[in-house]
Amino acid sequence: GESVGLHLPTLSVQEGDNSIINCAYSNSASDYFIWYKQESGKGPQFIIDIRSNMDKRQGQRVTVLLNKTVKHLSLQIAATQPGDSAVYFCAEILGGGADGLTFGKGTHLIIQP
Amino acid sequence: KAGVTQTPRYLIKTRGQQVTLSCSPISGHRSVSWYQQTPGQGLQFLFEYFSETQRNKGNFPGRFSGRQFSNSRSEMNVSTLELGDSALYLCASSETFNYGYTFGSGTRLTVV
Repeated sequence: GESVGLHLPTLSVQEGDNSIINCAYSNSASDYFIWYKQESGKGPQFIIDIRSNMDKRQGQRVTVLLNKTVKHLSLQIAATQPGDSAVYFCAEILGGGADGLTFGKGTHLIIQP
Repeated sequence: KAGVTQTPRYLIKTRGQQVTLSCSPISGHRSVSWYQQTPGQGLQFLFEYFSETQRNKGNFPGRFSGRQFSNSRSEMNVSTLELGDSALYLCASSETFNYGYTFGSGTRLTVV
């Protein structure tokens, strides 16, 4: 079964607001997580990653938070722009990576003008 | 630095035929993974190659196979195509496994 899931299939936010996309995972052995952005007709684009020995990691306008206690991962996008419209996937690697990346179903982020 | 290149971008095949898809990883990347993306099943792991050796394999039938060449380029093959094999096939490369996978744009396979 799938061990990585997302709480909402669609998230609509106003341009300029902050967006928070959530992800739950079930396997405590997961030790590496990646957030990807996929635009229509394109492959997933790497946004940011985090290892299980970290709680937070920041990039340009993005922050990933990892809460191992409740097995929860979130992606925060600051000052959302129209170009942020896409489907966002969280992905995890379990232990030694024998199953490759396990992806969640994805959240479609819609930016309202 | 050039990204991950997949060819062809689009492909239409008839049920029962076989197909070969190609992936050229980012220069210096030795790990190449393949994924299948469908609306119903989402993104699913097919297999991963590292230094010409298959490192691991997902839960797909034996009709799905792959290989990696000494220059890290990879091919995947699907034999005896079924309608359900219609999907976007994505290749990802990485300098090493379990780290920072970069995806190509994919090959859209349609089986009719």
